[in-house]
Amino acid sequence: EAQVTQNPRYLITVTGKKLTVTCSQNMNHEYMSWYRQDPGLGLRQIYYSMNVEVTDKGDVPEGYKVSRKEKRNFPLILESPSPNQTSLYFCASRTVRTTGQHPYEQYFGPGTRLTVT
Amino acid sequence: AQRVTQPEKLLSVFKGAPVELKCNYSYSGSPELFWYVQYSRQRLQLLLRHISRESIKGFTADLNKGETSFHLKKPFAQEEDSAMYYCALSGTSGSRLTFGEGTQLTVNP
Repeated sequence: EAQVTQNPRYLITVTGKKLTVTCSQNMNHEYMSWYRQDPGLGLRQIYYSMNVEVTDKGDVPEGYKVSRKEKRNFPLILESPSPNQTSLYFCASRTVRTTGQHPYEQYFGPGTRLTVT
Repeated sequence: AQRVTQPEKLLSVFKGAPVELKCNYSYSGSPELFWYVQYSRQRLQLLLRHISRESIKGFTADLNKGETSFHLKKPFAQEEDSAMYYCALSGTSGSRLTFGEGTQLTVNP
């Protein structure tokens, strides 16, 4: 089954304790992205990656890091989490655009609910 | 810069009534517009995209470039339509997908 998986699904941690949220897709998608979802703000893009070893900042990258060493994985790293990073995080993937096609549909993971105390 | 605005955070209608969820966008080029839906405690899923001009679950949306709008409509709402709806825009490069703030639709019996 084609899917995007995230782990863990729920995480409670304390300020300053480094954590990693994993994201994996089995659709051979080049593009992967991380979003955070907050009430009243919708989804905001944190980082995205157009392919292996290619990453770029989204709208709210501060306090986050990513890496793309393999095509299928795109982990989100919080080096020193703070309470304002308490949120629901979504990973997504899609194939990249090709001539004459519009493959911009993103497939989303189930979400990771992070609480930083 | 690209921006998406959904002016209504909450929308409540009765079953069988028409529903329209508003979406306005700002983008200098030719955008691709989408509607995503998130049912309670589930992941986001694509509902429809303007390029396909399709109707999914009775919903339709027409891109109006003159008014820069992409409103989502359904003539007869059902209780199972209750969900959070997000309008999203992808620009020419395809590198970013910008979401609106979302509209929580509640369909009452």
